[in-house]
Amino acid sequence: IQLTQSPSSLSASVGDRVSITCRASQDISSHLAWYQQKQGKAPRVLIYAASTLQSGVPSRFSGSGSGTDFTLTINSLQPEDFATYYCQQLNIYPLTFGGGTKVEI
Amino acid sequence: EVQLLESGGHLVQPGGSLRLSCAASGFTFSTYPMAWVRQAPGKGLEWVSTITGNGGVTNYGDSVKGRFTISRDNYRNTVFLQMSILRVDDTAMYYCARALLSGNTRFFDLWGQGTLVTVSS
Repeated sequence: IQLTQSPSSLSASVGDRVSITCRASQDISSHLAWYQQKQGKAPRVLIYAASTLQSGVPSRFSGSGSGTDFTLTINSLQPEDFATYYCQQLNIYPLTFGGGTKVEI
Repeated sequence: EVQLLESGGHLVQPGGSLRLSCAASGFTFSTYPMAWVRQAPGKGLEWVSTITGNGGVTNYGDSVKGRFTISRDNYRNTVFLQMSILRVDDTAMYYCARALLSGNTRFFDLWGQGTLVTVSS
């Protein structure tokens, strides 16, 4: 299953609302997770099951979608949110990641 | 403390072999599936392999199938990745991750800091 993220990069300002989309090449139900990765660090999960916020993740992050189309939204972007974001499908092997979206100032 | 600590990354020649280790602590290791994910320099994330909690079922990405073997030792709380017939395009940071099952879905909720594998002559 291929995951296509868009955009591949975006520029935004502190306080902006940002949306990143992830499209699957076939139906994956809600078996999708979103990860944040900062430069030189390991990824950390933000959202799982398409829309469930992982414990400890700020509520400005939200996920939506099912089937083939998914969205990660960041409300009121904060300085610590500048990073690269990846979607991952966990519906069927081989597991796959999207190509990533770099959020820059 | 709940953590994963990878080791074993090294410079190796094309065609060579290497074994990575990931030591887990702070949780009941045997109850969790474990995975390896890699990231080539400047590139995105690529899932490599997953193993179930009892080690009975393994899965591999197409690019490593037949060359890499995942295994685990639940007495030593460690998961391994045996890599052979290494190629230049296997050069990457290799992360160990814990898979958490939640309802009818799963995700990788805990990651190590990574270990760097460089394949070059």
